[in-house]
Amino acid sequence: GQQLNQSPQSMFIQEGEDVSMNCTSSSIFNTWLWYKQDPGEGPVLLIALYKAGELTSNGRLTAQFGITRKDSFLNISASIPSDVGIYFCAGQLNNFNKFYFGSGTKLNVKP
Amino acid sequence: GAVVSQHPSWVICKSGTSVKIECRSLDFQATTMFWYRQFPKQSLMLMATSNEGSKATYEQGVEKDKFLINHASLTLSTLTVTSAHPEDSSFYICSASVTGAEAFFGQGTRLTVV
Repeated sequence: GQQLNQSPQSMFIQEGEDVSMNCTSSSIFNTWLWYKQDPGEGPVLLIALYKAGELTSNGRLTAQFGITRKDSFLNISASIPSDVGIYFCAGQLNNFNKFYFGSGTKLNVKP
Repeated sequence: GAVVSQHPSWVICKSGTSVKIECRSLDFQATTMFWYRQFPKQSLMLMATSNEGSKATYEQGVEKDKFLINHASLTLSTLTVTSAHPEDSSFYICSASVTGAEAFFGQGTRLTVV
């Protein structure tokens, strides 16, 4: 199946710092999604990207759909303690097809 | 956003018994639902794609006779773990899509088989 490489695997940052994480794929996708998962909960959709080059924001979060359609990044500005969790990227080739998930980035924010 | 409800949130069952997990889309109709299994500190592993009114499509290595999926309506899909064993203990999560180009997840079900 498709392989999504997500990095970094984990991050330890100070409150107020900016964070960046990315996903790369060996194949192109037409949809990129970013999720946050808290312990014992299902992932929550943060941002959806549908067009190459698209840059979309959701509050302090910004994500971009890479021009090559093989990568995407997520930035979090001015991190706060509640940003702690695991962030997953997901890619989809066509609508109603399955999603491929990255391995996750665990974010730790020190107050 | 769209709301997906999963029930139960957690369940403990005896080895050899069957457990049913429900996934409901509360405010939209979902033609397609997905079932995942997640091991501790790992990503989501797709088990099967569930389409309303048709048989589910299982991923390679997933036993369809053990993990029975039924998608009887546009708002409900069920996963039944049959003859559960301790190795089936895991976190099971469903997702549903409105447009087919995004996926909203349920809160997950923690299954413990003793």
